[in-house]
Amino acid sequence: AQSVTQLDSQVPVFEEAPVELRCNYSSSVSVYLFWYVQYPNQGLQLLLKYLSGSTLVKGINGFEAEFNKSQTSFHLRKPSVHISDTAEYFCAVKDTGGFKTIFGAGTRLFVKA
Amino acid sequence: GAVVSQHPSRVICKSGTSVKIECRSLDFQATTMFWYRQFPKQSLMLMATSNEGSKATYEQGVEKDKFLINHASLTLSTLTVTSAHPEDSSFYICSAMEASGSPFRDEQFFGPGTRLTVL
Repeated sequence: AQSVTQLDSQVPVFEEAPVELRCNYSSSVSVYLFWYVQYPNQGLQLLLKYLSGSTLVKGINGFEAEFNKSQTSFHLRKPSVHISDTAEYFCAVKDTGGFKTIFGAGTRLFVKA
Repeated sequence: GAVVSQHPSRVICKSGTSVKIECRSLDFQATTMFWYRQFPKQSLMLMATSNEGSKATYEQGVEKDKFLINHASLTLSTLTVTSAHPEDSSFYICSAMEASGSPFRDEQFFGPGTRLTVL
């Protein structure tokens, strides 16, 4: 079985500052990794995903994430955040042979002016 | 990307009544649909997985007689909360996937969610 740990429940940051949202996972099998964003009262939108290949994955809205197999991490980064990036961010994992996606508890990114 | 819609977006009902939530894939055929429940400021909890034309597979602890799921066509799945009680109040999110056999295309697309309030 897989599990996902998002180490920070809330991350406040000033506009134009860099940000890193941390995610660690555990699994006994190979996995795919995802980051989703959720704006208030909305569903989830895929930011980026790692399936295979390059460990540095670039997504929408200027976000990127790096897969680190030895540390079982998939941290999300953005070099300069905007007010509009304020949202809930979920890290998720799915084993390569299955359908189920397991979500972390979420990190609330709050960008201040 | 593909679009998944949910209806209604919000519903308020009295305790003891049943509520049906629809999930539609608008521009693709969803061989698999998922229903999630999300409590305030918490993550998504998978309730069940449904494949078109077959019975849904419920996660442990989810009452299948209370949360009836029907996936009658490749573009529509419904979740019916029967005899709803205040503790069923939550945000329900569906997602749909077109299983192509390739992980590069098997992306889950999420609906906007339905806010259920049971009085």
